[in-house]
Amino acid sequence: GESVGLHLPTLSVQEGDNSIINCAYSNSASDYFIWYKQESGKGPQFIIDIRSNMDKRQGQRVTVLLNKTVKHLSLQIAATQPGDSAVYFCAENAPEWDSNYQLIWGAGTKLIIKP
Amino acid sequence: GAVVSQHPSRVICKSGTSVKIECRSLDFQATTMFWYRQFPKQSLMLMATSNEGSKATYEQGVEKDKFLINHASLTLSTLTVTSAHPEDSSFYICSALTGADYGYTFGSGTRLTVV
Repeated sequence: GESVGLHLPTLSVQEGDNSIINCAYSNSASDYFIWYKQESGKGPQFIIDIRSNMDKRQGQRVTVLLNKTVKHLSLQIAATQPGDSAVYFCAENAPEWDSNYQLIWGAGTKLIIKP
Repeated sequence: GAVVSQHPSRVICKSGTSVKIECRSLDFQATTMFWYRQFPKQSLMLMATSNEGSKATYEQGVEKDKFLINHASLTLSTLTVTSAHPEDSSFYICSALTGADYGYTFGSGTRLTVV
């Protein structure tokens, strides 16, 4: 798997509003999708995942939506807080026979929270 | 939960020297580990996949003689950057496959600066 994207899109959101971060994935054979949060100088932190047999999954303040028809993934963060400021990456994984468990990473979106 | 400990978190070395980065799985056995490199404002770039007891599989364009990976045990994988040059300065991250449910756990990253 290779990472894609040489620039970092930015999303600015007012504190308390909902954030929606989008991701277009590349491989129609991918069956597992993960959202990660990365704070400056740290490794990626798991947020939520979803398998291809689902189209929605909810966690604490986060929801992931999967649209396989258009190969689109989104992460919704409810009531965004200052601590949500970070770069968010989507990652996809194809079946083991096709990927050797390697993740394919999106370009990332930098989420900025306005006070 | 599964924890991967990565050390050092920061290292500064002189050109021409070698640097070793360690990743340890603290409470699980990691048969597969991934090593990434990340440049500022970019996504993670997979360098290599290592399986315990076998040679690492390097991604295209990654010099295996320069980035030596050893995965001699189920709890330790190391990346050695040999004869480091300033262009090797980057953020290096390891990740371990935690089990049958495709769980991935990431180290906290190593900021390498070559002067």
